Amino acid sequence: QQQVKQSPQSLIVQKGGISIINCAYENTAFDYFPWYQQFPGKGPALLIAIRPDVSEKKEGRFTISFNKSAKQFSLHIMDSQPGDSATYFCASMDSSYKLIFGSGTRLLVRP
Amino acid sequence: NAGVTQTPKFQVLKTGQSMTLQCAQDMNHEYMSWYRQDPGMGLRLIHYSVGAGITDQGEVPNGYNVSRSTTEDFPLRLLSAAPSQTSVYFCASSRGLAGAYNEQFFGPGTRLTVL
Repeated sequence: QQQVKQSPQSLIVQKGGISIINCAYENTAFDYFPWYQQFPGKGPALLIAIRPDVSEKKEGRFTISFNKSAKQFSLHIMDSQPGDSATYFCASMDSSYKLIFGSGTRLLVRP
Repeated sequence: NAGVTQTPKFQVLKTGQSMTLQCAQDMNHEYMSWYRQDPGMGLRLIHYSVGAGITDQGEVPNGYNVSRSTTEDFPLRLLSAAPSQTSVYFCASSRGLAGAYNEQFFGPGTRLTVL
């Protein structure tokens, strides 16, 4: 079963710090890598996504970096805020065109 | 525009019972999916549908059935509940193939406990 390996499983960051979450994929049928954010008791929601024509995408304090040769992509949260405390999932499309999610990273930003 | 709705929010079943988790969307999306979320396992795809009348299996389909008679509705049936099916279930929809530049919209989830 194709996997997306996500790390770390949990992360504690002080307010104002940088949060970094990494993902590695095996093979993908489509170069599109989304990140979803989930608050407790809610369904996941799309946070940011990157297409293959760029190696980095930035939206406000959130940046995705993509390394195609290493089959890795990462999420950086700059100036992390307590409101960013949530679970983050990366995802990629497997060879049968199904979207496969990573195991999730629980982020806690301390005030 | 309600987005993706799921009922019930919570459910407790006994082993061997059957039930149907309801999912509906009002965005006229062709693609709909069911996921289960377990601690440390992320979101795992159970079944998905690319349009009315068309369904296919995901990563963990055993013990579940789906049907898609309309664009709006995509119910998930548990045939004979087992404790291993204790989980949080999410329904999602997207305009096109999830993962191909199409955002997935998730419902609020159903928390199921099987005793």
